[in-house]
Amino acid sequence: GESVGLHLPTLSVQEGDNSIINCAYSNSASDYFIWYKQESGKGPQFIIDIRSNMDKRQGQRVTVLLDKTVKHLSLQIAATQPGDSAVYFCAENILGGYQKVTFGTGTKLQVIP
Amino acid sequence: SQTIHQWPATLVQPVGSPLSLECTVEGTSNPNLYWYRQAAGRGLQLLFYSVGIGQISSEVPQNLSASRPQDRQFILSSKKLLLSDSGFYLCAWSTLTMNTEAFFGQGTRLTVV
Repeated sequence: GESVGLHLPTLSVQEGDNSIINCAYSNSASDYFIWYKQESGKGPQFIIDIRSNMDKRQGQRVTVLLDKTVKHLSLQIAATQPGDSAVYFCAENILGGYQKVTFGTGTKLQVIP
Repeated sequence: SQTIHQWPATLVQPVGSPLSLECTVEGTSNPNLYWYRQAAGRGLQLLFYSVGIGQISSEVPQNLSASRPQDRQFILSSKKLLLSDSGFYLCAWSTLTMNTEAFFGQGTRLTVV
């Protein structure tokens, strides 16, 4: 659901370690999920997506896992780098006539050099 | 290729003054258009979305309004700004087909003083 008024949770990770960012989505009818990365002062940028007929999808250093039974989505970043420091949002695409994209709360990832 | 333009990048306005933020999209037709607000350290709050010219849906009651005078133009306005209107405003677009991501502008940092 909407993230109004909520402080972003923060995940601190040592450089080189793997990061796991979690997200719970709200609508069991959603069939498309997206992870975005937002660097300070910029708009969110697409990272990776996954459709509901998949459980896992891999990109370059990133993997998204989808567990529809508990409406949970995770983003795994391998060998986390300082450039990965950003706010990460998951988003769900709600089925229906308007394809409105709805964002989760967001997680701030801090990479410790 | 599709691009989204949002301006201005930063804006400082006194309380009680009007506001007009503009967003235009190029390279696509009949997009879904969105206005989001992001307070410092917080997630994305959907303010308005539009599926066509003159069609605006408001997500939350507020001091702002939106208009879509042309297919690829989305305007966020206020007649009288409040201090609480300060924030980072993001315009985004997505296509009307199923399962698509949203593409964001670079944002406008609004400070109401």
